[in-house]
Amino acid sequence: DAGVIQSPRHEVTEMGQEVTLRCKPISGHNSLFWYRQTMMRGLELLIYFNNNVPIDDSGMPEDRFSAKMPNASFSTLKIQPSEPRDSAVYFCASSPHLRTSGKDEQFFGPGTRLTVL
Amino acid sequence: DAKTTQPNSMESNEEEPVHLPCNHSTISGTDYIHWYRQLPSQGPEYVIHGLTSNVNNRMASLAIAEDRKSSTLILHRATLRDAAVYYCILRELEGEYGNKLVFGAGTILRVKS
Repeated sequence: DAGVIQSPRHEVTEMGQEVTLRCKPISGHNSLFWYRQTMMRGLELLIYFNNNVPIDDSGMPEDRFSAKMPNASFSTLKIQPSEPRDSAVYFCASSPHLRTSGKDEQFFGPGTRLTVL
Repeated sequence: DAKTTQPNSMESNEEEPVHLPCNHSTISGTDYIHWYRQLPSQGPEYVIHGLTSNVNNRMASLAIAEDRKSSTLILHRATLRDAAVYYCILRELEGEYGNKLVFGAGTILRVKS
């Protein structure tokens, strides 16, 4: 298995532009997570899906951020309009869903480094 | 959120054991203790987890205090490739979707050759 795939790996854009980050989870995994990592705030969970349904989006910073999971093999995180403070590394992770268990691990992708000028 | 406390950084010599401590005095009875690490320029990766008993796997060992208020990740022989940020995380359960991980600042492990 190729693991979690993210694209693009690097994105440089100008303030005000729309940015779309993409993620392909590991086949068969039922949970998908979007994280953001900055020096100031560390790793933050933005949103996660279970069986393609958003479960918790309380970490999404504001309305400029939106995430979708149209099917089990694809998810997007969109920022519109982007701002310089959105510059960060965005990670996608997936996990097999084990009901009522605290055991299942998350598998992280390589991340997308976003720079907003 | 259940909280963990870890030292900001630690240093080890190559080929020597490393003990990375974590305090979690507010742990609840159903919280699992997870450890992840993040190598430079990579996403985090799972290391080990446990509930009450000590655990061993190919990467590390996890020693859990009897009262579960602290734990220690043990790397038996540190290599240069083990230099990373190590995160101790309490796995929070939310109903039937027990997937949420809350990352703290972690411990930066430096390994000297």
